[in-house]
Amino acid sequence: KAGVTQTPRYLIKTRGQQVTLSCSPISGHRSVSWYQQTPGQGLQFLFEYFSETQRNKGNFPGRFSGRQFSNSRSEMNVSTLELGDSALYLCASSLGGLAGRTDTQYFGPGTRLTVL
Amino acid sequence: GQSLEQPSEVTAVEGAIVQINCTYQTSGFYGLSWYQQHDGGAPTFLSYNGLDGLEETGRFSSFLSRSDSYGYLLLQELQMKDSASYFCAVNRDNQGGKLIFGQGTELSVKP
Repeated sequence: KAGVTQTPRYLIKTRGQQVTLSCSPISGHRSVSWYQQTPGQGLQFLFEYFSETQRNKGNFPGRFSGRQFSNSRSEMNVSTLELGDSALYLCASSLGGLAGRTDTQYFGPGTRLTVL
Repeated sequence: GQSLEQPSEVTAVEGAIVQINCTYQTSGFYGLSWYQQHDGGAPTFLSYNGLDGLEETGRFSSFLSRSDSYGYLLLQELQMKDSASYFCAVNRDNQGGKLIFGQGTELSVKP
């Protein structure tokens, strides 16, 4: 079974630009979650999509948004980029059922975003 | 607020046993997960505790005490390839898609 894939793997943008990142979950998984990883703040939850609806949202400004398509693929968008948005953006997919051993999250390799 | 505390670094030798502790303070608790992340890699799931007690998966075991808001990951028969960062993560409710992560513990395994 193919794993979670993310594109692009690396991205360089300048302040003020916007960026769109893509995530393809494991086949059959309906939940996609996005996380931001930085050396200072660690892994922080951005939002989760399940069946094309945002089910949960973390504590990030409205510049961070996402969506999910009918095939469960997800995109996240960051508008008006700031230097502090430089990070590794990880997506994780799961079946979307009850939390627990049977519904673990599988992470993709991430997109490394650098904002200059 | 939400906080998970774990040691920032741990060093051990090959063949030894190491325990990585995690204490948490979160508004809501459903279960505790552990993830491993090698440099430049994706986090991979290691273990989950929804109930108090010990869960064993091969060389890795994880423990949870809800009353103490405390858990640990135990790694036995350490190998060089176990050198990585280890994260504890809390599910605050029964929806698995949002994890609150600790800052991670960097484990270095020496020969």
